[in-house]
Amino acid sequence: SAVISQKPSRDICQRGTSLTIQCQVDSQVTMMFWYRQQPGQSLTLIATANQGSEATYESGFVIDKFPISRPNLTFSTLTVSNMSPEDSSIYLCSVPTPSREGLNEQFFGPGTRLTVL
Amino acid sequence: SQQGEEDPQALSIQEGENATMNCSYKTSINNLQWYRQNSGRGLVHLILIRSNEREKHSGRLRVTLDTSKKSSSLLITASRAADTASYFCATDGGSGGSNYKLTFGKGTLLTVNP
Repeated sequence: SAVISQKPSRDICQRGTSLTIQCQVDSQVTMMFWYRQQPGQSLTLIATANQGSEATYESGFVIDKFPISRPNLTFSTLTVSNMSPEDSSIYLCSVPTPSREGLNEQFFGPGTRLTVL
Repeated sequence: SQQGEEDPQALSIQEGENATMNCSYKTSINNLQWYRQNSGRGLVHLILIRSNEREKHSGRLRVTLDTSKKSSSLLITASRAADTASYFCATDGGSGGSNYKLTFGKGTLLTVNP
């Protein structure tokens, strides 16, 4: 399985500011995903980070609010812009990893816990 | 809207007992995966079952899949206090959808009392 790290692990931010979250993978991967988990809720896909092209956003998420970079095959960033308390969530990146059976199991980073005051 | 629904939402058992969690989904799938999440941290991948499989085992875990009922179950046998966590199912693909985009259920919070 891929080893995935995220920075920061947690942060407390003031409303109106922005935070950039980093995701680093120990191997080259074609696709990386960003998810949001609001308090007490399940995970919702924000976008697919594509290397060499713009990210693909899911319904309800826009690039101006969640700009994503994917400069190479092992790294991606997600920025949460102009934050409000409603953005308080855990943000997780994930990558599909071929298993021995050739299946794409998805593995997740440890998450970034964001609190917006 | 969420693809999957887990039940129960919360489950409390004694150490040594078995825990069964269920997941239902709405559309056709390629694969279904189960994850564990401890205390709001990252997700730990437990097991993947393909749509053409009916049962899969991994250690103390047993997963079943019934595509006719669009449901799956996760059984943890001989539970331990360390199994205390939230458990999520996630589906991908189906109906021409992406094999990689996961849709998560709401999760089951399992508490194993020592």
